[in-house]
Amino acid sequence: GAVVSQHPSWVICKSGTSVKIECRSLDFQATTMFWYRQFPKQSLMLMATSNEGSKATYEQGVEKDKFLINHASLTLSTLTVTSAHPEDSSFYICSASEKFFGPGTRLTVL
Amino acid sequence: RKEVEQDPGPFNVPEGATVAFNCTYSNSASQSFFWYRQDCRKEPKLLMSVYSSGNEDGRFTAQLNRASQYISLLIRDSKLSDSATYLCVVNAESRDDKIIFGKGTRLHILP
Repeated sequence: GAVVSQHPSWVICKSGTSVKIECRSLDFQATTMFWYRQFPKQSLMLMATSNEGSKATYEQGVEKDKFLINHASLTLSTLTVTSAHPEDSSFYICSASEKFFGPGTRLTVL
Repeated sequence: RKEVEQDPGPFNVPEGATVAFNCTYSNSASQSFFWYRQDCRKEPKLLMSVYSSGNEDGRFTAQLNRASQYISLLIRDSKLSDSATYLCVVNAESRDDKIIFGKGTRLHILP
């Protein structure tokens, strides 16, 4: 079946730094990818829809200038958390459809 | 009313028992429904899609009740490995094809 990979799987960074998370579709082309965030014991919350070759669509309450999304090719979308703060610590998951999810990236901001 | 609601549990069930959970959704126009399983600190994995006619996959049975706007998941002969969080997912079939996750129901199978 189709596979979605994410890199890195976990990252620890200092407050104020930026972190880039990559999401790749390994054996299919994805014109649309989705980025989710999950806090402990909470549900996945959709942050934004990443569209290949165009701007991402952000959900209400998600700062587009803080969470930069780039979908430059049909197999790669990146999420950059700019000037990360401890409250950004979370589990970030990408998906290429309702069926295929990446393994997630656990971000801890100190 | 929340878009997708689930009883958070936990459901503590002895091994071999049958357990069922429901999930209600608020958008009557929703078209696609799924159950996902999520293990601790892992990504959600699709367990099964839920069809209007209901569907069964081994020990798992999913049902959809459009009139009352809920879906259900039944697990028979539960195994220790069934311990996980079960997420109800609804696709609103909007232009962006967004899917909405419930908060999940935690299931603990007891030996």
